[in-house]
Amino acid sequence: AQTVTQSQPEMSVQEAETVTLSCTYDTSESDYYLFWYKQPPSRQMILVIRQEAYKQQNATENRFSVNFQKAAKSFSLKISDSQLGDAAMYFCAYRGWEAGGTSYGKLTFGQGTILTVHP
Amino acid sequence: DTAVSQTPKYLVTQMGNDKSIKCEQNLGHDTMYWYKQDSKKFLKIMFSYNNKELIINETVPNRFSPKSPDKAHLNLHINSLELGDSAVYFCASSYLLGTSGSYEQYFGPGTRLTVT
Repeated sequence: AQTVTQSQPEMSVQEAETVTLSCTYDTSESDYYLFWYKQPPSRQMILVIRQEAYKQQNATENRFSVNFQKAAKSFSLKISDSQLGDAAMYFCAYRGWEAGGTSYGKLTFGQGTILTVHP
Repeated sequence: DTAVSQTPKYLVTQMGNDKSIKCEQNLGHDTMYWYKQDSKKFLKIMFSYNNKELIINETVPNRFSPKSPDKAHLNLHINSLELGDSAVYFCASSYLLGTSGSYEQYFGPGTRLTVT
């Protein structure tokens, strides 16, 4: 079974600075998808960024980028120019490639990292 | 229009009662999911339906019964509610891999269930 680990329960950053959230995962699959979701106090789950494991290029979405190290099974999220609105809980999630088997597209989540942004 | 909606957003009830949470998606997705977020914010899959067929049934008490009348709707019925059922329940939807190029899961706003 796949597992996802976020070793930083809490992180903080100054507004306009850069912060990196860590995520590692364990899987025996060679193809899969990885995601970062943001959950602000409103509790809505918001997709921040996604990465296909077969792509070597790291995904980027505006101020958000990832450092995907497939061999190390590491998937960190970098937030540049942090804004007050970035304050939230961030979840790393894994989705298997196969449509069937034991996966059926379910997401396996890490424990989450609470990000605080200081003005 | 809201892509994935859930009703109600808040549910307060007493132990032993039976309650339902409804979910609807208008994204045309063929697969829907129920996740539970516990008091420590940990998210875990409970069930999934693909085109009205149950495809994921994790280790969940049989007091929880999902029902999917069509691929746009997935409801969760909970019998004999217990204190430990208090949590936030999220509905999500996506295309099942292999049927479309889009595989992201979109989440509803969540239902906070409080059992007293």
